[in-house]
Amino acid sequence: AQSVTQPDIHITVSEGASLELRCNYSYGATPYLFWYVQSPGQGLQLLLKYFSGDTLVQGIKGFEAEFKRSQSSFNLRKPSVHWSDAAEYFCAVVGGADGLTFGKGTHLIIQP
Amino acid sequence: DAGITQSPRHKVTETGTPVTLRCHQTENHRYMYWYRQDPGHGLRLIHYSYGVKDTDKGEVSDGYSVSRSKTEDFLLTLESATSSQTSVYFCAISESRVSGLGGNNEQFFGPGTRLTVL
Repeated sequence: AQSVTQPDIHITVSEGASLELRCNYSYGATPYLFWYVQSPGQGLQLLLKYFSGDTLVQGIKGFEAEFKRSQSSFNLRKPSVHWSDAAEYFCAVVGGADGLTFGKGTHLIIQP
Repeated sequence: DAGITQSPRHKVTETGTPVTLRCHQTENHRYMYWYRQDPGHGLRLIHYSYGVKDTDKGEVSDGYSVSRSKTEDFLLTLESATSSQTSVYFCAISESRVSGLGGNNEQFFGPGTRLTVL
């Protein structure tokens, strides 16, 4: 069965610093991968997705992610974070029931 | 923003009572989903629908039923609520299959319903 692991429950980053959020997946075939962001009390918003092709994917709000098949990873990056990036971030893979299988999330804290 | 509303937004109920949550969309999307979100678990799929009257189970379907009599509405029912069903429930929609190769497979999420079962 497919699964997603986000090793970091919390990450604290200074405003203006670079960010990398880790995501590892387990899936037998070519995975369809997603990153979502959830602000407090809100629903989820799609940041980016990978289906095939170029392994470096650009998303909204200045985020990008790189698919590495050899490492079963799909890490999210941003070169310079803003205070408004503080949120919960979820990595997800297409599940067998045609929904998404989510990781447990990484809570991002931005220090001034 | 995709036109998805959920009602109620907050509900407190007692163990053993029936509860129905409603998801309403104005996008005419074919696929609709119910997820629950719990601390330390992320989001988990409860049920999904791939058309009117066509539904299927997800990862955590026990204790839940769904119905879809119209394209725009997807109802989630807890026949007899238990404390373990205290959670935040999210509805999502997509135009095509999330595993499809087309460009319209993004899932759009509603604002959520916070359910507390005492």
